[in-house]
Amino acid sequence: GENVEQHPSTLSVQEGDSAVIKCTYSDSASNYFPWYKQELGKGPQLIIDIRSNVGEKKDQRIAVTLNKTAKHFSLHITETQPEDSAVYFCAATRGGSGNTGKLIFGQGTTLQVKP
Amino acid sequence: DVKVTQSSRYLVKRTGEKVFLECVQDMDHENMFWYRQDPGLGLRLIYFSYDVKMKEKGDIPEGYSVSREKKERFSLILESASTNQTSMYLCASSFGWRWGLAGPNEQFFGPGTRLTVL
Repeated sequence: GENVEQHPSTLSVQEGDSAVIKCTYSDSASNYFPWYKQELGKGPQLIIDIRSNVGEKKDQRIAVTLNKTAKHFSLHITETQPEDSAVYFCAATRGGSGNTGKLIFGQGTTLQVKP
Repeated sequence: DVKVTQSSRYLVKRTGEKVFLECVQDMDHENMFWYRQDPGLGLRLIYFSYDVKMKEKGDIPEGYSVSREKKERFSLILESASTNQTSMYLCASSFGWRWGLAGPNEQFFGPGTRLTVL
């Protein structure tokens, strides 16, 4: 069935280092790939997204890359700061979901940025 | 600023009780979602609604039902709560079809309800 695998499950980096989280998806019809950040006690919040007609997108310190052939997409955070510490989720649309945007989420990555 | 609110942050219920979780959004979104979040499993879709009175089952609908009588409100119902339904429940909403929107778009999440079933 449709699936999104996310790695690693936990990631610890020193402040200022880069962090990379990787996801693979199974449905070749997926066309929208958002990344959500969930801080303690809050609901997930979109931080960046990419559509299948784009290979890379950047917003200040965060970037996402998409390899449709390999069905991989990755989140890159540069110059990490303690406030980047949170749980990050990748997601992909289910094939045929149209504008409903039904998503399949990865398992989540807990990022810890040590000062 | 989009706001999605959930009726309770924490809820404790007993096995067999009927439980109602309410979600309200203020952005005139067509789509509303109920997810369950468990450690190591990510977010799993329970039910989805794309319009008033319209609903679709998600990946784990067993033991749950939903109601959408008004566009802004989406309710999740646990008909007879069981201990394996102890979890964090998240509601989300998003636009459906709109001129200028390039397909699927951002889901806005509420803060979640942590439900414990004893």
